[in-house]
Amino acid sequence: AQSVTQLDSQVPVFEEAPVELRCNYSSSVSVYLFWYVQYPNQGLQLLLKYLSGSTLVESINGFEAEFNKSQTSFHLRKPSVHISDTAEYFCAVIADRGSTLGRLYFGRGTQLTVWP
Amino acid sequence: EAQVTQNPRYLITVTGKKLTVTCSQNMNHEYMSWYRQDPGLGLRQIYYSMNVEVTDKGDVPEGYKVSRKEKRNFPLILESPSPNQTSLYFCASSFAQGGTYEQYFGPGTRLTVT
Repeated sequence: AQSVTQLDSQVPVFEEAPVELRCNYSSSVSVYLFWYVQYPNQGLQLLLKYLSGSTLVESINGFEAEFNKSQTSFHLRKPSVHISDTAEYFCAVIADRGSTLGRLYFGRGTQLTVWP
Repeated sequence: EAQVTQNPRYLITVTGKKLTVTCSQNMNHEYMSWYRQDPGLGLRQIYYSMNVEVTDKGDVPEGYKVSRKEKRNFPLILESPSPNQTSLYFCASSFAQGGTYEQYFGPGTRLTVT
């Protein structure tokens, strides 16, 4: 099976500062990687995903994540955060084959709080 | 509009009173699943279904039942709810193979068992 570790449960930053939310995964097969965001009192929305190709993927609101196969990481970054980025962020993986194909495994989440 | 719907959105019940949370999707997805979200624990999968009449346990199935009689519906049943099942529940769906594997989530059901 797969597993995901989000290294920080809480990340407080000031507005316009850069931020990195760290994610490492474990899997015996190749995986697809995702970041989901949950704004206060809302459901989960897909932020970005890596399926194949370029290891650097971007979202429409300025976030980016880089797949690093050798380090089994998929860290999320933003060069300048806004107060509206305050949310909980979840890293997730799906195996691309095998008995767990289709099952999404989540990390425990990182609460990003942006202060003015 | 492509969506996953859940009902009810909020539910307060008492220990032992059977309840069902419904989930429906209109995207013709084969794969559906239920998660519960608890503070500090993230999302944990309860049950999932790869297609009609095919269901399997996730990581925390105790105390829950599911059925998949139709492709679009995947209800979650709590036969005898207990206070430790107080949680936020999400239903999700996706294509099972050959797709982007993006899971679409419902809005959540906040359940309180007293």
